[in-house]
Formats: sequence, C-alpha cells, structure tokens
Amino acid sequence: ETGVTQSPTHLIKTRGQQVTLRCSSQSGHNTVSWYQQALGQGPQFIFQYYREEENGRGNFPPRFSGLQFPNYSSELNVNALELDDSALYLCASRRWTVTDTQYFGPGTRLTVL
Amino acid sequence: DQQVKQNSPSLSVQEGRISILNCDYTNSMFDYFLWYKKYPAEGPTFLISISSIKDKNEDGRFTVFLNKSAKHLSLHIVPSQPGDSAVYFCAASKGSGGGADGLTFGKGTHLIIQP
Repeated sequence: ETGVTQSPTHLIKTRGQQVTLRCSSQSGHNTVSWYQQALGQGPQFIFQYYREEENGRGNFPPRFSGLQFPNYSSELNVNALELDDSALYLCASRRWTVTDTQYFGPGTRLTVL
Repeated sequence: DQQVKQNSPSLSVQEGRISILNCDYTNSMFDYFLWYKKYPAEGPTFLISISSIKDKNEDGRFTVFLNKSAKHLSLHIVPSQPGDSAVYFCAASKGSGGGADGLTFGKGTHLIIQP
C-alpha cells in the first residue's frame, strides 16, 4: 500500500457533464501528478502541481484542470465530458526532487456514456 | 507519436526461468528510465530505475540494462516467480531530479509466469 488514496473508485457520467476526482497524497510529498490511462494504453501525463501551482502539463485541453490544497490533497476536474475521457485516472505523489519515489494511487475508473 | 514503445503486449515465461522485457524510446532528451509493475485494481508500483550515465542497474532479482546508442532498455527478472505475473510499464523522463514534464510511459507488457 502506497499511502495514496483516490475517490471515488468508479464513476459513471454522461457526455457533457462535469466530474471531480480526488486524491490524498502520501504524507510529506509536495508534488502531485495526474495521469490518464485509457484501455490498453500506458498512463499519459495530464499535469503536475507543486506547492499549489500547476507547473507542468501534458497534451490535454484546458477543460482538464486541477487544484492542490495546502495539505497536499488534490483534485482533477474535467468539464464537458467526452466519450474518449473514459479511462482510469491515476494520481501520483512524490517529493519534488526525486522522480522514482513516485507513489501511485489505485485510480478512479471513469466511464462516460 | 509514441516516444516510449513496448512492442510485446504479452510474454509467457516458465517459473524459475529468466524474464526479459524490452523497451525502446525515440526522444533523445530522455535521460532517466524507470520500470513499474501493475497488478489489477492497483496503481503502478516502482520497481527499478536507471540513469543515462549508467548501462546497468541491479536490485535483487531485477536488473535493468540501458543501450543509449540503440535507445533501448530491458528489464531482466531472474528467477521468475509466480508473483511476478503483472503488467510491466517502461517509463522515461527528462532528468532524475523531478521536473515538470511528468513520466512518459509505454503501453505495457503483460508478463505471465507459468508454473
């Protein structure tokens, strides 16, 4: 167990709706990243937050946004859901200076109908 | 355009034998490489990493080899055990000290250890 938790475990939404996914980071970790894993694919980097500021983003549109809170928990918000947003969403926490001690949560399975 | 490629979707190996998982990358800016293991309903778990200044790194049964000129790395598991059955992801990053670009993952290889 990594100490990173995510909620909810599963979620079903319809196209056009908005969704908020939550992540609670490992204690002492000041950096959180979010990844999208579509079926049969590897995780794809969405964005990263450090000290409550977004400081890196992958190839995802602005309707994907996030927040990081002072206690290092975070949210991923997706607006105007599309069918292709159906995926497993993973969050990962780490200390800023180290890449490999990146702990992933179990993920939230989002289905968009 | 896939920058990290794992061309074998699955691999079956007999228990006790060596498992070799392969990974190729195209972006020469990558200089730090990692392997993750993933069980169903769990997030990826870090296994082993290697910096581009090395060509080999060992940790117990796991060894990662890096061939920079070929832009190729491999993970060797010796001996393979039933608990090694999982999906293995190769990942790459620019810099080992963190950074804001995230990890770039391959599609994964499903390793099945046969008794």
